[in-house]
Amino acid sequence: GQQLNQSPQSMFIQEGEDVSMNCTSSSIFNTWLWYKQEPGEGPVLLIALYKAGELTSNGRLTAQFGITRKDSFLNISASIPSDVGIYFCAGPLFNKFYFGSGTKLNVKP
Amino acid sequence: DTGVSQNPRHKITKRGQNVTFRCDPISEHNRLYWYRQTLGQGPEFLTYFQNEAQLEKSRLLSDRFSAERPKGSFSTLEIQRTEQGDSAMYLCASSFGTSEYNEQFFGPGTRLTVL
Repeated sequence: GQQLNQSPQSMFIQEGEDVSMNCTSSSIFNTWLWYKQEPGEGPVLLIALYKAGELTSNGRLTAQFGITRKDSFLNISASIPSDVGIYFCAGPLFNKFYFGSGTKLNVKP
Repeated sequence: DTGVSQNPRHKITKRGQNVTFRCDPISEHNRLYWYRQTLGQGPEFLTYFQNEAQLEKSRLLSDRFSAERPKGSFSTLEIQRTEQGDSAMYLCASSFGTSEYNEQFFGPGTRLTVL
């Protein structure tokens, strides 16, 4: 099946630091989505991207839709302890929906 | 609470037993999705419904799995003759509209443990 590769797999950062993570695919996506999942909960949508090259912000989060349409990036600025969780990229392809394996973020106060 | 709800939240069963999970989507959401998530992985798409019609099924959905959405509202996912490999979190999501690009809202999931 389709694979969305996320890196890094996990990150340990200090509160206040900026964070970058990315997602790549061998297939072209027309939509890229970024979700956050906390323990015991379902994923929650953070940012949706619909156009190649698009740069979209949601508070301290900024995501970009790569111009090749095969990648996307998520940045978190000035991290805080509540940013802890697993971040997934995702997108629809051929009537199915695919998620990456996630980037686990740990923030030390 | 008007979010997606799933019941039960946890289910422990013995290998070979049948289990059924229920998902209640957000009211008026016509699309409903089922996913499976194992530890350390992202959700894996299983199937989705547009109203009561099941439009797509993943190859992950073996013949032991069946999903229904009889009246286009709540949905059930049944696993027959459970195996230890079925142990996972089963997530349900719903969205409004006919496009796969519409935002999906997830429920909290049902965690299945097969002993």
